[in-house]
Amino acid sequence: GENVEQHPSTLSVQEGDSAVIKCTYSDSASNYFPWYKQELGKRPQLIIDIRSNVGEKKDQRIAVTLNKTAKHFSLHITETQPEDSAVYFCAASKDDYKLSFGAGTTVTVRA
Amino acid sequence: DAGITQSPRHKVTETGTPVTLRCHQTENHRYMYWYRQDPGHGLRLIHYSYGVKDTDKGEVSDGYSVSRSKTEDFLLTLESATSSQTSVYFCAIQGTENNEQFFGPGTRLTVL
Repeated sequence: GENVEQHPSTLSVQEGDSAVIKCTYSDSASNYFPWYKQELGKRPQLIIDIRSNVGEKKDQRIAVTLNKTAKHFSLHITETQPEDSAVYFCAASKDDYKLSFGAGTTVTVRA
Repeated sequence: DAGITQSPRHKVTETGTPVTLRCHQTENHRYMYWYRQDPGHGLRLIHYSYGVKDTDKGEVSDGYSVSRSKTEDFLLTLESATSSQTSVYFCAIQGTENNEQFFGPGTRLTVL
């Protein structure tokens, strides 16, 4: 099955700086890559996703890039704010239905 | 919240007892999922359903069974709970617009 590795496991950034989280996947047939944010004690919520026919996608301060050849994708958060503190999960799927998740990255934004 | 509820929200049980968790949705979505979340493992798929009475296994299905007799309800059963099944369990549904998965509020299960 699909194996998704996510790095780093923890990330501490100064408010206003950028944060980058990287994920690699094993199955070259994977074509859908969502990112979820989970605040403490809450449910995971989708923040952005990308499909394999696109190399980059942006939504305000967040962006995701995909390198199909290298089988890795990354989440970029610019101008970080305290409300960006959360656990972020990447995931991959080859059929839009069964998602394989990374282990998560705990992001802390220091004021 | 995509009309997803889970019950119970918290449960403490003893090893060897059966446990059933319920996921209920109000928007007639075809696909429903059960995940478990453990530190260091992210979310792992237990079972999923693609219609009434249509279910299939995920990556960590051992020790779990599911049933879906109605579109709106997806039940997860631990036939004989073990301490390794202590976890937070999330149900999810698949939206129809972007195939986005929406998660329920979660159930925290502790097996003593």
